[in-house]
Amino acid sequence: NAGVTQTPKFRVLKTGQSMTLLCAQDMNHEYMYWYRQDPGMGLRLIHYSVGEGTTAKGEVPDGYNVSRLKKQNFLLGLESAAPSQTSVYFCASSKLHLNDHRYNSPLHFGNGTRLTVT
Amino acid sequence: GQNIDQPTEMTATEGAIVQINCTYQTSGFNGLFWYQQHAGEAPTFLSYNVLDGLEEKGRFSSFLSRSKGYSYLLLKELQMKDSASYLCAVRGLNSGGYQKVTFGTGTKLQVIP
Repeated sequence: NAGVTQTPKFRVLKTGQSMTLLCAQDMNHEYMYWYRQDPGMGLRLIHYSVGEGTTAKGEVPDGYNVSRLKKQNFLLGLESAAPSQTSVYFCASSKLHLNDHRYNSPLHFGNGTRLTVT
Repeated sequence: GQNIDQPTEMTATEGAIVQINCTYQTSGFNGLFWYQQHAGEAPTFLSYNVLDGLEEKGRFSSFLSRSKGYSYLLLKELQMKDSASYLCAVRGLNSGGYQKVTFGTGTKLQVIP
């Protein structure tokens, strides 16, 4: 059981370049999330998805796009990278229990992607 | 929106007890989580509270008071390996009715001999 897998683990981009971060989960979770983590800022939500084919903006969505074509995958795209996007990116997933919130599962995190934009 | 406050740093002695506090403001509260994050690693789940009271899990306990918007994480019999950041996270409902999890900035705990 792999859980949540993120690729790549490290990446260096030049300003203006584009890239896609891939997140895959094998737990059949409905919810998936992309966070960025910066010193002193904590984890900030970029985008999230409540199911296949649906996405929504989080706290800091500008400069990023996402897609969830399959339930198990959640892609984060940077169309034109900027130095301000240098960060550690975490993907997470969780299971939703509509009828009893006591059983809503915690977030399961991937190991992160360290992105540097020069 | 959601607002979460927790101390930035704490220091405690090996073998002692430490309490990390978290206060929050949120709409549509639907649970509070504590995560542990070692430097350079992903956060890992520690505890979950959705009803008032204390949840105990080995050396770790977490308390919630929904009326006060307050939680704490209690770590007993501290070990050196407990040196890490502890993240408080609140799940609430956004305007669209979807659940959203917001994290505090984390409390960096240093355990000293």
